[in-house]
Amino acid sequence: DAGITQSPRHKVTETGTPVTLRCHQTENHRYMYWYRQDPGHGLRLIHYSYGVKDTDKGEVSDGYSVSRSKTEDFLLTLESATSSQTSVYFCAIAGGRSQETQYFGPGTRLLVL
Amino acid sequence: AQKVTQVQTEISVVEKEDVTLDCVYETRDTTYYLFWYKQPPSGELVFLIRRNSFDEQNEISGRYSWNFQKSTSSFNFTITASQVVDSAVYFCALSSANTGFQKLVFGTGTRLLVSP
Repeated sequence: DAGITQSPRHKVTETGTPVTLRCHQTENHRYMYWYRQDPGHGLRLIHYSYGVKDTDKGEVSDGYSVSRSKTEDFLLTLESATSSQTSVYFCAIAGGRSQETQYFGPGTRLLVL
Repeated sequence: AQKVTQVQTEISVVEKEDVTLDCVYETRDTTYYLFWYKQPPSGELVFLIRRNSFDEQNEISGRYSWNFQKSTSSFNFTITASQVVDSAVYFCALSSANTGFQKLVFGTGTRLLVSP
């Protein structure tokens, strides 16, 4: 199993509050990703990183920012949470021998009231 | 544009039945990868298989088999002699060369319920 952890695993917050989710890997993989999972949409890519300080937008990046200051950590920030950002957030990593295959973390369930 | 379609929202079977989950994809790239992931009730996403666009050989792994047909843009997944532990949501996904294989596009998933 890929060494990926996400924190927190569950969070309840209020509209307008900043929220940061953390993804941590122990695999030293180059690529890291943030997805959100919503009913009827499957998983959609928010942002991804292809190296330290190198990030790019995905399909649903509005309202989100990311940072990667170390290989092992990829942070997702909701600057001002909205109810539409209530979702399950998954981090994924890829690299090593199989850079095309993404392995997922356990997920973070976020509820914005 | 890339797209993955899983038309079966939910399938219910009785244990020991065979079941096929359909996946149809769209891409203009000639080089791409197709994937299947499993999401059991516990919520994690488990990688099952990856195929590249140049390898149309079918694959079998135990009770699981995958049929890749470029002519119909399909990558179907069959579970033989289903078991209760196969109950999960299954996602088909696609990545392609024009995004450096860095953007996975997922289907909306098929929920499989296997009853004893």
